Amino acid sequence: QSVLTQPPSVSAAPGQRVTISCSGTTSNIGRGFISWFQQFPGAAPTLLIYDTDKRPSGIPDRFSGSRSGTSATLRISGLQTGDEADYFCASWDTSLTSGVFGGGTKVTV
Amino acid sequence: DVDLVQSGPEVKKPGESVTISCETSGYSFSRHWIGWVRQMPGKGLEWLGMIYPYDFDIRYNPSFQGQFIISADKSSSTAYLQWSSLRPSDTAIYFCARHVYCYNGVCQTADFWGPGTLVTVSP
Repeated sequence: QSVLTQPPSVSAAPGQRVTISCSGTTSNIGRGFISWFQQFPGAAPTLLIYDTDKRPSGIPDRFSGSRSGTSATLRISGLQTGDEADYFCASWDTSLTSGVFGGGTKVTV
Repeated sequence: DVDLVQSGPEVKKPGESVTISCETSGYSFSRHWIGWVRQMPGKGLEWLGMIYPYDFDIRYNPSFQGQFIISADKSSSTAYLQWSSLRPSDTAIYFCARHVYCYNGVCQTADFWGPGTLVTVSP
C-alpha cells in the first residue's frame, strides 16, 4: 500500500490530454516537494516535474504539474504514443521522515 | 555529464549476504545526497534511504530500518547498499539516485538515476 494514491491507469487518444492525480496528506503533498517521474518498461525512472510545477531542462512543456491542498496533478497534453509509460508521483513525508511514492499510473495512448 | 553506474545482477540464496554498488561521476559526490529506491517485480517505487557522503549522514526509511546498510566511499565516488542476510522478499530491482534541493536532510527530488541492479533471492 503506497503512501500516495494514484489511479492505476488512464488512457486517451493521440493528441488529447490526460490528467493523473496524486492524493496525499498534510504531511506530504500538502507541504509541497512534489515530483513526478516517468518510467518505461525495463528502464530507470526519469524526472519529469519537481517542486510541484518545475520542469528539468529537456522536458517538453506538454508535461505540467500543479497542486491543490493535499492533491497533486500531472497533465500531459498533446498525447503521443511515446508517452505510454508508468508515471509516479513522489514527495517527502514529514511525519514518516521519509521519501514517499505513489503506486504509479499506467498511461495508454 | 552526471552518470550513475550500478553493479550487475545478483542471484543469492536466503540467508546470504550481498553488496551492490553505484559508481558516480560528473559531479561533486561528497556534496550531494545519494539514495536508494526499490522496485519489486511488477510493483511501484519505494524509497529506502540516502546518505550524504560529505559527513556520512544517513537517513533510512523507518519502514526498512535494520534490513540493510547504506554506505559510501568518497575516494571512489561510490555508494553501496548491503544486506547481511537476504530474504526472498528482497527480490527486486534497486535503483540509486542523486538527490537534490536538499536542506537539513530533507530532499525535494532525485534528478539522476542509475539503471538499476536486479537482486534475486531464491532457495
